[in-house]
Amino acid sequence: QSALTQPPSASGSPGQSVTISCTGTSSDVGGYNYVSWYQQHPGKAPKFMIYEVSKRPSGVPDRFSGSKSGNTASLTVSGLQAEDEADYYCTSYAGSNNLLFGGGTKLTVL
Amino acid sequence: EVQLVQSGAEVKKPGESLKISCKDSGYSFTTYWIAWVRQMPGKGLEWMGIIYPGDSDTRYSPSFQGQVTISADKSVSTAYLQWSSLKASDTAVYFCARYITTTATFDYWGQGTLVTVSS
Repeated sequence: QSALTQPPSASGSPGQSVTISCTGTSSDVGGYNYVSWYQQHPGKAPKFMIYEVSKRPSGVPDRFSGSKSGNTASLTVSGLQAEDEADYYCTSYAGSNNLLFGGGTKLTVL
Repeated sequence: EVQLVQSGAEVKKPGESLKISCKDSGYSFTTYWIAWVRQMPGKGLEWMGIIYPGDSDTRYSPSFQGQVTISADKSVSTAYLQWSSLKASDTAVYFCARYITTTATFDYWGQGTLVTVSS
């Protein structure tokens, strides 16, 4: 099956907001509210940022928020900070104990 | 606190076998699923499969079924990923992560194991 579709890059200036999209199908993103987002700095393990579309685990700043409309989920980072520069990946449950990753988006803080 | 500690980097030749590990410390290893995730050089993350160490129930991504074997030994709180015959295209960083089935989320990650396959 195909990976979820994310833009390869996104950027914003410090203090601005940026939104990263994650597009799937009705069999994954659109069919379940099990979309998660992960942040990965170079050479590091991914970090869990958002789960169940819009919930934040403890310790994740409220500058990070998630949403979904139809087959597309989105991660918004508000009040951009230099440390937000990283790769971001979405995942979605796709039924039958199957999981899909997005291709990843490189976020640059200008 | 949950901590997943992976085995060190490996350099292998094509055709060789390999087994890498992911040891849990700090939580009940047998009550959560463990996932393996691949990241090829300069590329994104790919879900390979999951195992429930309590009874070794294992599920594979269709893309990795038959290519690797996932196993676990609950007596030492360790999950494994193994290859019987490595290929150059297996060169990647492999992460283990705790997988929460109720939210389809990887909440804790190991540090990653770099596997290099080269003649």
